[in-house]
Amino acid sequence: EPEVTQTPSHQVTQMGQEVILRCVPISNHLYFYWYRQILGQKVEFLVSFYNNEISEKSEIFDDQFSVERPDGSNFTLKIRSTKLEDSAMYFCASSSPGQGGNSPLHFGNGTRLTVT
Amino acid sequence: DQQVKQNSPSLSVQEGRISILNCDYTNSMFDYFLWYKKYPAEGPTFLISISSIKDKNEDGRFTVFLNKSAKHLSLHIVPSQPGDSAVYFCAAKPYSGAGSYQLTFGKGTKLSVIP
Repeated sequence: EPEVTQTPSHQVTQMGQEVILRCVPISNHLYFYWYRQILGQKVEFLVSFYNNEISEKSEIFDDQFSVERPDGSNFTLKIRSTKLEDSAMYFCASSSPGQGGNSPLHFGNGTRLTVT
Repeated sequence: DQQVKQNSPSLSVQEGRISILNCDYTNSMFDYFLWYKKYPAEGPTFLISISSIKDKNEDGRFTVFLNKSAKHLSLHIVPSQPGDSAVYFCAAKPYSGAGSYQLTFGKGTKLSVIP
């Protein structure tokens, strides 16, 4: 069964450094997303991406965050200057079109980002 | 802001019996609801969903019930198996057109199925 893959599984970085989290969505999916889960808290929406542009973003997704689809397979999340509070599990997800917009999201296994 | 609430942080069920996980929501704009299962160190895995035009959806051992008037949904697992032990998340999205998928998640319920 096709799956969303994320690399690395764990990233440790120092405060103020830039990090790039990488994702390969399911190949025939057209909608891509980033969610995050801070330890002990809910899974939270960050951003959705379609047709090479951001379609929605949350308040969390401020100017230090950016997303990119650099080629036909990868989808990346960049955090320009990491803060301690960015430490979380970051999940990439993708979905296919159809069903009137109601198709389930498929998540990767996440990248655990630790900012020290 | 708890638009999606899972009030039971944990549930223990004997193998073979029914597991019932509950979820309440407050946002009347939600029109599509999903249940995800999550094992440690893995991402959420989609289980089953239901649109607001239905009140029941069944897939094998999993059935989701939606009560719109009560803003309540539940996931039934019958029969429960030890491999079902995981954290179950309820999630919801408002109607906002194709491709808009800002899911709101509950905090999760940890299900333990005892052999």
